[in-house]
Amino acid sequence: EVQLVESGGGLVKPGGSLRLSCAASGFTFRSYSMNWVRQAPGKGLEWVSSISSSSSDIYYADSVKGRFAISRDNTKNSLYLQVNSLRAEDTAVYYCARGLRGVPNDAFDIWGQGTMVTVSS
Amino acid sequence: QSALTQPASVSGSPGQSITISCTGTSSDVGGYNYVSWYQQHPGKAPKFMIYDVSHRPSGVSNRFSGSKSGNTASLTISGLQAEDEADYHCSSYTSNNNVIFGGGTKVTVL
Repeated sequence: EVQLVESGGGLVKPGGSLRLSCAASGFTFRSYSMNWVRQAPGKGLEWVSSISSSSSDIYYADSVKGRFAISRDNTKNSLYLQVNSLRAEDTAVYYCARGLRGVPNDAFDIWGQGTMVTVSS
Repeated sequence: QSALTQPASVSGSPGQSITISCTGTSSDVGGYNYVSWYQQHPGKAPKFMIYDVSHRPSGVSNRFSGSKSGNTASLTISGLQAEDEADYHCSSYTSNNNVIFGGGTKVTVL
């Protein structure tokens, strides 16, 4: 079964950091671009970041550029998002999503269940 | 770059057809045939429904169809069913090599 499982979310104070992880299974992870998409409570989806299959191409939304860092380990079938300098407006469910084809910023065909990040003092 | 514009809500009776619009600009929806649609039930992860404007992934009902005219993409649900009640999100590739989503549309089956 194709599956993505996120972890690492939690409650953090403003200015704090977290490392989100996404474990992939059931497909050839190294062949796909991967993405992070977030959803603030009661709001729509917001694309956060994309990484190509080989990590050669990385993209960020302006709202997180300079504070978040996406990475992957194809030997461990894992995707990561280092989130730093957190703000209240970063409070959201963070989803890991697979790119439909090998290119970044593509449609997202498989989604994880999400991990909640709450930024509050 | 502002989010794509979707109506907050759309409703219809069982068996009817409804259409959800998704309006952007020539830098996103109008400039590329890379519009996607996602269905999201409360408390669940989004589900992939349409890609490249009008292509359905395997397993998605043919009651769902997508189209585009100019800067506006549309998702049509025909033969509306109770299980279609959910939030629907559109997205598009952009000229900044990013992805932009709409604000989401709540579909209510009356």
